[in-house]
Amino acid sequence: AQKITQTQPGMFVQEKEAVTLDCTYDTSDPSYGLFWYKQPSSGEMIFLIYQGSYDQQNATEGRYSLNFQKARKSANLVISASQLGDSAMYFCAMREGDSGGSNYKLTFGKGTLLTVNP
Amino acid sequence: GAVVSQHPSRVICKSGTSVKIECRSLDFQATTMFWYRQFPKQSLMLMATSNEGSKATYEQGVEKDKFLINHASLTLSTLTVTSAHPEDSSFYICSAREWGRGTNQPQHFGDGTRLSIL
Repeated sequence: AQKITQTQPGMFVQEKEAVTLDCTYDTSDPSYGLFWYKQPSSGEMIFLIYQGSYDQQNATEGRYSLNFQKARKSANLVISASQLGDSAMYFCAMREGDSGGSNYKLTFGKGTLLTVNP
Repeated sequence: GAVVSQHPSRVICKSGTSVKIECRSLDFQATTMFWYRQFPKQSLMLMATSNEGSKATYEQGVEKDKFLINHASLTLSTLTVTSAHPEDSSFYICSAREWGRGTNQPQHFGDGTRLSIL
């Protein structure tokens, strides 16, 4: 079974509107972390936001917020007020285990290609 | 912020050539670095975990003798693709974790290397 599932291969959004990118995960480890990265066409991976499994509140970073629903094992990324520069591939990733039990490996989803239309 | 430098950014070479890719953490120490491979329009696949001063840990299906990893210092890991063939053509990207930071800290990625074997 896939550990990270991103069901939207592609998404379109109008400039200035909000968009939600879906991510569900599968783990039996009580301690884990969820990350979102942005990959523009140039290839670099840009860290956006992090949510820990024990965090009580949803993470927010500027225009990015994470809708963390632990019982449903989902960690959707919400981008508010979309900009043309947001057009990129977005990857959800998971780290399982705590600092003693893992070497911080990340498992990535297949990604969602977001296109922001003017 | 934490910066990871990866060189070269692009390599085009003949079949049978060995290619070395460097990954450097510029402003932090990294006991652990990661090497990923990404095919066009696909996700990042972890190839190996590079540990400073010890042997790398390879993921299942990755040929150790084909992809040689050396992590000789706290700021440098190298990936050598030995006797490269056209099927090795891909986008290779490294990442590093800052030593001593908590589990909520993201991996910082290099800009990647596009390898083309003719």
